[in-house]
Amino acid sequence: DGGITQSPKYLFRKEGQNVTLSCEQNLNHDAMYWYRQDPGQGLRLIYYSQIVNDFQKGDIAEGYSVSREKKESFPLTVTSAQKNPTAFYLCASSPGTGGFQETQYFGPGTRLLVL
Amino acid sequence: AQSVTQLGSHVSVSEGALVLLRCNYSSSVPPYLFWYVQYPNQGLQLLLKYTSAATLVKGINGFEAEFKKSETSFHLTKPSAHMSDAAEYFCAVSSFGGFKTIFGAGTRLFVKA
Repeated sequence: DGGITQSPKYLFRKEGQNVTLSCEQNLNHDAMYWYRQDPGQGLRLIYYSQIVNDFQKGDIAEGYSVSREKKESFPLTVTSAQKNPTAFYLCASSPGTGGFQETQYFGPGTRLLVL
Repeated sequence: AQSVTQLGSHVSVSEGALVLLRCNYSSSVPPYLFWYVQYPNQGLQLLLKYTSAATLVKGINGFEAEFKKSETSFHLTKPSAHMSDAAEYFCAVSSFGGFKTIFGAGTRLFVKA
């Protein structure tokens, strides 16, 4: 079955630690996205990538970093600079290079908690 | 700039009753509008989308939405609620020439037996 997988399902971060969230898709989609979801705030775009080896900052990129070395993979690193990382993180992809009318397909999410 | 406002963070209906979830948008260019549904601890999945082909859009699970330009609205409806409809619903907007999709804050739907 084609889809998007995210791991781990739950992740615990200690103060000052960097952690990496995995996102893999086998849909052969070009565009991939990372969103942060907080209660009552909807989804906010962290980073997006339209093509391999290229990515752009979204609305809340500070404290986060990404890479896109392979078409199917778009990992997100939450760095120690992100002072309030507790949230639900969603990865998504879309078929083309992220055009305005494309449907986005979402993974099941990773919940990040701070110890 | 684009924005989306979902009226009501929580909506409660009885099983079998009409579901109405409200969404108003702001866009200086013709919009493309989406409704996504999120079940607890899961990702979002598309219910339906408007891309200017028809103002009444039918989606999955018996949901539909009507684009009303004069009211800048795209409300989601379902004639008869089912217990399995309990979830959070997100309205979203994008537009020609743009890349980002802007999501509303979400409306959580509760269905009472």
